[in-house]
Amino acid sequence: SSELTQDPTVSVALGQTVKITCQGDSLRICFPSWYRQKPGQAPFLLIYGENNRPSGIPDRFSASRSENTGSLTITGALAEDEADYYCNCRDNDGNVIFGGGTKLTVL
Amino acid sequence: QLQLRESGPGLVRPSETLSLTCSVSGGSIDYSSFHWGWVRQSPGKGLEWIATIYYLGGILYNPSLKSRVSMSIDTSNNYFSLQLRSVTAADAAVYYCATHQVGMITSGGLVATYFDNWGQGTLVPVSS
Repeated sequence: SSELTQDPTVSVALGQTVKITCQGDSLRICFPSWYRQKPGQAPFLLIYGENNRPSGIPDRFSASRSENTGSLTITGALAEDEADYYCNCRDNDGNVIFGGGTKLTVL
Repeated sequence: QLQLRESGPGLVRPSETLSLTCSVSGGSIDYSSFHWGWVRQSPGKGLEWIATIYYLGGILYNPSLKSRVSMSIDTSNNYFSLQLRSVTAADAAVYYCATHQVGMITSGGLVATYFDNWGQGTLVPVSS
């Protein structure tokens, strides 16, 4: 299968830690990258490869992967973290796949 | 800092061809570290990869769109383009262009692919 499955909604209490997951067969060969998107804005890259963060992304964002599941962990969630989060990878043919997205609510 | 900006028709009629361009500033489109991609997002939906053009000229299309999509690059004018033929209401979306890193291999031997510079997006309605 070339799909990536994400939970549609996840919630976290302010200041707590939350894990957003991404599942799919392609994750057996691919380390997922993660994006955040707020309403009306373009997505932006949070983490790529094996837990690499672009300049300016704080280290409270981290990523991991095991078997066919990838995870984005946000440590100490802030109100500003409320957004949609997407994972992406590629399949054996090089085609890019995005997960369906997870809407994170910070309570 | 590389900047990308999409431009498009504003409105496309069903069965017509959608043409979009992505202008690149702050760097040369001919730079060997970059590949160039298109991603779209239908209203209220998730992200969908459309196509990527590689520095050496190869192009990879989403299999679900391949029969209707063309992508090209103009190195002289520093932009790349997308054409989507025979559009329907299902093609109404915000279309983003982005730089696409495709060749990363992690320390564990896994591949990684990611879009690291995004345009602001352009909304393309489809209506008669």
